[in-house]
Amino acid sequence: DGGITQSPKYLFRKEGQNVTLSCEQNLNHDAMYWYRQDPGQGLRLIYYSQIVNDFQKGDIAEGYSVSREKKESFPLTVTSAQKNPTAFYLCATGQGRGETQYFGPGTRLLVL
Amino acid sequence: GESVGLHLPTLSVQEGDNSIINCAYSNSASDYFIWYKQESGKGPQFIIDIRSNMDKRQGQRVTVLLNKTVKHLSLQIAATQPGDSAVYFCAENMPGSARQLTFGSGTQLTVLP
Repeated sequence: DGGITQSPKYLFRKEGQNVTLSCEQNLNHDAMYWYRQDPGQGLRLIYYSQIVNDFQKGDIAEGYSVSREKKESFPLTVTSAQKNPTAFYLCATGQGRGETQYFGPGTRLLVL
Repeated sequence: GESVGLHLPTLSVQEGDNSIINCAYSNSASDYFIWYKQESGKGPQFIIDIRSNMDKRQGQRVTVLLNKTVKHLSLQIAATQPGDSAVYFCAENMPGSARQLTFGSGTQLTVLP
């Protein structure tokens, strides 16, 4: 973390509701990533963006959407189509493919 | 498909002892590896990295060893301290892959007093 902020720390979603997780960075990194972490499992890539106004689906993009209008920001929306959204969501940044990724503090999403 | 895996899900060590955490990878084309530390409820923290043209790299109290012959990566922590208790996982980068980094599931290190 440090130059990467995620908010909120905890987020509660009601059934059928869309919620948006914020990720902001001041590291001037080109690439940004969203991962989902479930207990006892590794990180799974949801979406990533190499440059502004461009993003790519990861392994588990269904039920999620993103935007990259600014270099500093990469918000993730968890839509009502995501039937099992309870997880720890991690945003990361990096200089690009083949380089180190640095992580934010995470947002824990819970379903009411 | 190719994946990163860990030999042991849990590891307990006495405070002051050295810890060794292992990671096996199956893609011989992977050229960059990273070790992360993740404390409960927090984001992963970069520890150390190594590229495939190296066999060993040292940091402060940590050493990463890469054995390309058997596709094995290890993290050694010297004089393990209570603050080292966390989940450690490795990540690999495959050149030309759109998947970015691939992460293992992690090893829980517990430091005993």
